[in-house]
Amino acid sequence: DAGITQSPRHKVTETGTPVTLRCHQTENHRYMYWYRQDPGHGLRLIHYSYGVKDTDKGEVSDGYSVSRSKTEDFLLTLESATSSQTSVYFCAISPREQETQYFGPGTRLLVL
Amino acid sequence: QQQVKQSPQSLIVQKGGIPIINCAYENTAFDYFPWYQQFPGKGPALLIAIRPDVSEKKEGRFTISFNKSAKQFSLHIMDSQPGDSATYFCAASIKGTSGSRLTFGEGTQLTVNP
Repeated sequence: DAGITQSPRHKVTETGTPVTLRCHQTENHRYMYWYRQDPGHGLRLIHYSYGVKDTDKGEVSDGYSVSRSKTEDFLLTLESATSSQTSVYFCAISPREQETQYFGPGTRLLVL
Repeated sequence: QQQVKQSPQSLIVQKGGIPIINCAYENTAFDYFPWYQQFPGKGPALLIAIRPDVSEKKEGRFTISFNKSAKQFSLHIMDSQPGDSATYFCAASIKGTSGSRLTFGEGTQLTVNP
């Protein structure tokens, strides 16, 4: 998986609790992305980062925040998890714009 | 708002057949069109990509055909094998001031029977 790890790989949580997912890369790639994957919707971009401390919203950013304090780590936070945020979350990295995005193994999140 | 529409949702072919997956886009500013392949339990992986200045690109058994005027592009898999059974996603992106972002189609689940 091109030097990308995601943690945790599986998580079950309750509605209203905060959740943080971590993406860690060893490739020193500039761009990092968070997607969610749901049946019938493909992959939808939540937030992305184009450098340390530089982030922007994707198409489904409501209810999510991100932080990137160093090149190798990109954190996704659900401030107050809801059942609609039950999904598989993928992190991706890319060295340059419109280059291959390399995806991590995913985190399966269940919000009860 | 779904800017990239993909069809069919699922496709079953026999070994050796040529499955074709189609995508249509709305935004004429898109200028990069990759296809990703995903196996169960794994993250997607880039299969092949095309830019709108060419009408066709081949890599091994995989071919992208691109029709700029119709705003459509498709993936053809020649001599398909059971190992090609996976979910395929088309995508499109535009370069922006803060980096480019991919918009994915809904995915096509391909089954190649032996």
